[in-house]
Amino acid sequence: DAKTTQPNSMESNEEEPVHLPCNHSTISGTDYIHWYRQLPSQGPEYVIHGLTSNVNNRMASLAIAEDRKSSTLILHRATLRDAAVYYCILGYNFNKFYFGSGTKLNVKP
Amino acid sequence: DVKVTQSSRYLVKRTGEKVFLECVQDMDHENMFWYRQDPGLGLRLIYFSYDVKMKEKGDIPEGYSVSREKKERFSLILESASTNQTSMYLCATTDSSQIYGYTFGSGTRLTVV
Repeated sequence: DAKTTQPNSMESNEEEPVHLPCNHSTISGTDYIHWYRQLPSQGPEYVIHGLTSNVNNRMASLAIAEDRKSSTLILHRATLRDAAVYYCILGYNFNKFYFGSGTKLNVKP
Repeated sequence: DVKVTQSSRYLVKRTGEKVFLECVQDMDHENMFWYRQDPGLGLRLIYFSYDVKMKEKGDIPEGYSVSREKKERFSLILESASTNQTSMYLCATTDSSQIYGYTFGSGTRLTVV
């Protein structure tokens, strides 16, 4: 299974943009790039996913490198509610997803 | 919104007990999954099901079994609970297109004493 590498933790100020990186040098051609986040005491929550092109939704943007070996989740204006663990996951079939340790995002007021 | 409901938020069971964790979803999703989450190990897939009465082993099925008699319900069974099964258990669903990703329940924190 293709694995991802994320920083253990990051810090951001409220109202500022946050760029969460993810490296996935062994990604295969059929792997989608998925992002989930887990708020304290809750199950993970879907954020966004993409294959080759950059993607935007109401929660975030996903920027995918041209060679697909890395991607960046962008939160345009961090709020305190965005403090969570963010997981970058590769996969095509959901039964093959690998959730690693993720990046713990701390948002300072 | 899809809702995935796990029957208990917290459970405390004794070693050797048979434990049932229930998961119910209300959006007619075909695929259902059971994960456990432990510090430093991330989420690990125990079992999944893509249809009624169908089940597939995940990465760590030992000590667990599952049951899916109805489309909306997926049960995880610990036949004889042990202390190393103390963990957070998460149920998740997706539809057959898998376009919109997993929807997770809030989790059941199981402590085996």
